[in-house]
Amino acid sequence: KNEVEQSPQNLTAQEGEFITINCSYSVGISALHWLQQHPGGGIVSLFMLSSGKKKHGRLIATINIQEKHSSLHITASHPRDSAVYICAVSLTDKLIFGTGTRLQVFP
Amino acid sequence: ETGVTQSPTHLIKTRGQQVTLRCSSQSGHNTVSWYQQALGQGPQFIFQYYREEENGRGNFPPRFSGLQFPNYSSELNVNALELDDSALYLCASSLDRANSPLHFGNGTRLTVT
Repeated sequence: KNEVEQSPQNLTAQEGEFITINCSYSVGISALHWLQQHPGGGIVSLFMLSSGKKKHGRLIATINIQEKHSSLHITASHPRDSAVYICAVSLTDKLIFGTGTRLQVFP
Repeated sequence: ETGVTQSPTHLIKTRGQQVTLRCSSQSGHNTVSWYQQALGQGPQFIFQYYREEENGRGNFPPRFSGLQFPNYSSELNVNALELDDSALYLCASSLDRANSPLHFGNGTRLTVT
């Protein structure tokens, strides 16, 4: 079993839909990162969380430390949101990645 | 624009050769980490450097080594290249070791033939 699990692996949505991507982890962490990767490879950091909730534009990230679970929500999804979303957890000496969720938003 | 640049963008090497990949971090970022991402897979943590010393390592053999310099640049060296080393190599810089946002470069795509 991977230390960081994401679901779903693939997600298809219609423009305007509300999207949720989940991340569960089994290790003690100092922080959790949500990353976005577009085709071609570049990775953008969306959020870094150690507790509670953060919002940036149409993106919301939450984390429940007790349950070892985080969610990334996208409101009013748009085709430009199509990308791979990766959850990664920080330990003191390394970062462990989930396998990513491939999101496609159609007009 | 993250301020993190990697070079080269693409590289082709032959099995058994050695390669050096370079990363220029954001000024003031004391931590740099390197990742390997095989096609269709998520990134895998290679190692992390903090103030020029390695302070964390993933499950990679010793032929993967690194250096971090005082001018916020760093290198990833891979010796005795194998076909499975073909991947996208990403570096990321951050202010501190654990609880700082990561700023990724665009990666170097290495092909080993």
